[in-house]
Amino acid sequence: RKEVEQDPGPFNVPEGATVAFNCTYSNSASQSFFWYRQDCRKEPKLLMSVYSSGNEDGRFTAQLNRASQYISLLIRDSKLSDSATYLCVVNMGGSQGNLIFGKGTKLSVKP
Amino acid sequence: ETGVTQTPRHLVMGMTNKKSLKCEQHLGHNAMYWYKQSAKKPLELMFVYSLEERVENNSVPSRFSPECPNSSHLFLHLHTLQPEDSALYLCASSQEPYSQPQHFGDGTRLSIL
Repeated sequence: RKEVEQDPGPFNVPEGATVAFNCTYSNSASQSFFWYRQDCRKEPKLLMSVYSSGNEDGRFTAQLNRASQYISLLIRDSKLSDSATYLCVVNMGGSQGNLIFGKGTKLSVKP
Repeated sequence: ETGVTQTPRHLVMGMTNKKSLKCEQHLGHNAMYWYKQSAKKPLELMFVYSLEERVENNSVPSRFSPECPNSSHLFLHLHTLQPEDSALYLCASSQEPYSQPQHFGDGTRLSIL
């Protein structure tokens, strides 16, 4: 089983749609979780951290399910500018930390 | 200048060449990283430095040799690379090792002939 798995997509959705991505991780001792966004030919940028109780930032909601070992990202009222690849990042812990990136899920929002 | 800057943006080299990638961060961070991003593969963490000391080396072949002369600069020295080493090499920094957010540079697109 891969350490961090994401559906690669692409997810093609119309403007205004709600779209959700999941990411599963293999190590139950993983400590912290993040969603990054990477635009085409650009560097990754932190979108939001994922907290145990779930958290929201505007149209974006992140949730963590430790029992099932997955995190999710929900985007409401999607905009054209949301088109990007969304990377799931898991810190699997250990004495020195261990950051693992998923392959990313590509989202394309169409007019 | 702000953020994380990488040079060169593009590099084409033969398998017998020696070249270096450079990264500089202007954020006052204590940790710097090298990542490799290949097509259809996840971002792979290669090296982590904390205050000029290497804290992680993820089984990277010795043809990649990092150097961190101070907390603001990070180099990746390349020699006798293989075609499969062609990728985007991203530098990042963060306040402390593994802390978030990580700030990434634009990357160096490396092609091995």
